[in-house]
Amino acid sequence: DAKTTQPTSMDCAEGRAANLPCNHSTISGNEYVYWYRQIHSQGPQYIIHGLKNNETNEMASLIITEDRKSSTLILPHATLRDTAVYYCIVRFLQTGANNLFFGTGTRLTVIP
Amino acid sequence: GAVVSQHPSRVICKSGTSVKIECRSLDFQATTMFWYRQFPKKSLMLMATSNEGSKATYEQGVEKDKFLINHASLTLSTLTVTSAHPEDSSFYICSARDPGTIYEQYFGPGTRLTVT
Repeated sequence: DAKTTQPTSMDCAEGRAANLPCNHSTISGNEYVYWYRQIHSQGPQYIIHGLKNNETNEMASLIITEDRKSSTLILPHATLRDTAVYYCIVRFLQTGANNLFFGTGTRLTVIP
Repeated sequence: GAVVSQHPSRVICKSGTSVKIECRSLDFQATTMFWYRQFPKKSLMLMATSNEGSKATYEQGVEKDKFLINHASLTLSTLTVTSAHPEDSSFYICSARDPGTIYEQYFGPGTRLTVT
């Protein structure tokens, strides 16, 4: 699976949009971009994923550049409960053993 | 999304004893489950892949005789930490793969193990 690079930490004011970048310059054509987050002392929570097109769900939006070498997770209106470590992962979807390799992620702190 | 549970949520045991952690997929059948461990302020590290009805596949550096994994049914995998020592204290997290949703993985809430 391709490696990703994320900033170590970010702050965001409550109510503002949080934009979390991720670089994955070695991504291959059939690897997906996944985002998970982990709130302190909890298991990771799936947020969103995409292949080429931008995606939006009730939690967030995912913007993938045209060359697919980077992406941005957008939390449109950050709340204090969004404080967590956010992991950007690129992975194949395949029927064999399919696990997620977690990097160091970005520690997002939402400030009141 | 699908629900994965873990039991217990936290456990304290004495050095030398064994501890069993259960991981259950509550609303889907998981042919494959994964066990991770996480040290404070560190990322998740995959320990092993648990396949229903067959032996688990362990990552390099993980002792299979110390971390016993059993996946006896499509909804339950167990991780037993044998002869636990203080250095085994960690946050253990399981995930289960749902073949009905393009092989998505859903994570349990984690188990905090403290060995005294």
